[in-house]
Amino acid sequence: QQPVQSPQAVILREGEDAVINCSSSKALYSVHWYRQKHGEAPVFLMILLKGGEQKGHEKISASFNEKKQQSSLYLTASQLSYSGTYFCGTGGSTLGRLYFGRGTQLTVWP
Amino acid sequence: EAEVAQSPRYKITEKSQAVAFWCDPISGHATLYWYRQILGQGPELLVQFQDESVVDDSQLPKDRFSAERLKGVDSTLKIQPAELGDSAMYLCASSLELGETQYFGPGTRLLVL
Repeated sequence: QQPVQSPQAVILREGEDAVINCSSSKALYSVHWYRQKHGEAPVFLMILLKGGEQKGHEKISASFNEKKQQSSLYLTASQLSYSGTYFCGTGGSTLGRLYFGRGTQLTVWP
Repeated sequence: EAEVAQSPRYKITEKSQAVAFWCDPISGHATLYWYRQILGQGPELLVQFQDESVVDDSQLPKDRFSAERLKGVDSTLKIQPAELGDSAMYLCASSLELGETQYFGPGTRLLVL
């Protein structure tokens, strides 16, 4: 039930945009997005729930397509601080466990 | 800002030895999770507690791993005996209730020699 993330890695210049995709073979109730820097704990970015609206947080936003069982994370005008590995965690119910993807490594160069 | 606390941050042990990790969740969080993260992969749930009760331990290798949350607050994860393949980051997370946002602690990096 592990979701599939794409791409595996992205290299950007400051100011460029990126999209990270998360796809599941199972029906989804929620999608959780995290960013993890090397050697540190994952940091929560946002949660999207079934029937909910697209979320936004500064220049980072996300969408959730329930029918396609997919979510996308949008990073606009990327900053150096955006570098890290992005994980999506998917949940099949209100009480269920999360399954995390293998991550997308994002590198932003000046 | 409240945080999840974990100790130790680093642990080196020899195979066949016992190790224990401790986690103190954010105050008031009823749900506590233990994850294992192998280098280059996403976190994998080992065990999930709601207060002092285990909700999901289907991926916990019960022949060598054990976890408890006796008073429904802090928690301990134990491995006995440790094997080479147990080398990983062990992350603890907590949430107000089941299904809500999970906040991760800094993790314990385990190296088994």
